[in-house]
Amino acid sequence: AQKVTQAQTEISVVEKEDVTLDCVYETRDTTYYLFWYKQPPSGELVFLIRRNSFDEQNEISGRYSWNFQKSTSSFNFTITASQVVDSAVYFCALSEARGTASKLTFGTGTRLQVTL
Amino acid sequence: NAGVTQTPKFRILKIGQSMTLQCAQDMNHNYMYWYRQDPGMGLKLIYYSVGAGITDKGEVPNGYNVSRSTTEDFPLRLELAAPSQTSVYFCASSTPGLAGGRVETQYFGPGTRLLVL
Repeated sequence: AQKVTQAQTEISVVEKEDVTLDCVYETRDTTYYLFWYKQPPSGELVFLIRRNSFDEQNEISGRYSWNFQKSTSSFNFTITASQVVDSAVYFCALSEARGTASKLTFGTGTRLQVTL
Repeated sequence: NAGVTQTPKFRILKIGQSMTLQCAQDMNHNYMYWYRQDPGMGLKLIYYSVGAGITDKGEVPNGYNVSRSTTEDFPLRLELAAPSQTSVYFCASSTPGLAGGRVETQYFGPGTRLLVL
């Protein structure tokens, strides 16, 4: 069975601080996909990134970066120079790659509060 | 291109009532999904569909039914509402994965908040 653990329930930082959100996953599959979604206070889910299990390169997109390490089953997300607009709940999710249907297993989310 | 749309945004139901949550997408995605999000929790898969006429159960299907008569629409039916079904419901869609196990990104609607009293 798949499992995603986001141990940090809530994080508070002051604007311009860097912050890392942790994600640890469990799966028996050798091929799988990992995702991060953002849920701002308005409630919708916004896709941030998708990564497959064969691509361990770190990725950077503006102030966002992701560190994927298969050896520790982790897919951590770092926001550099955080801003108030980054305040949201962030979800890490895992999908097996059997057949073609993507059934996501979500973590419980990390609430990030960025204050001035 | 509206993406994934859901109606209603919010609904209060009495115990035992029934209702249908509507979901539509205009991206010509074959795959559609229903999730529920309970307070402080991640999303859990209720049902999914890989095409018109084809549906399958997810992790938490009890108390729900779905149908898929068109590519665009994927309604979720609650027959006898119970307080345990108080939740936020999200619909999502994606293109099909490819042979060999490629998984495509799911794009979510804005959600329907349901309160059962």
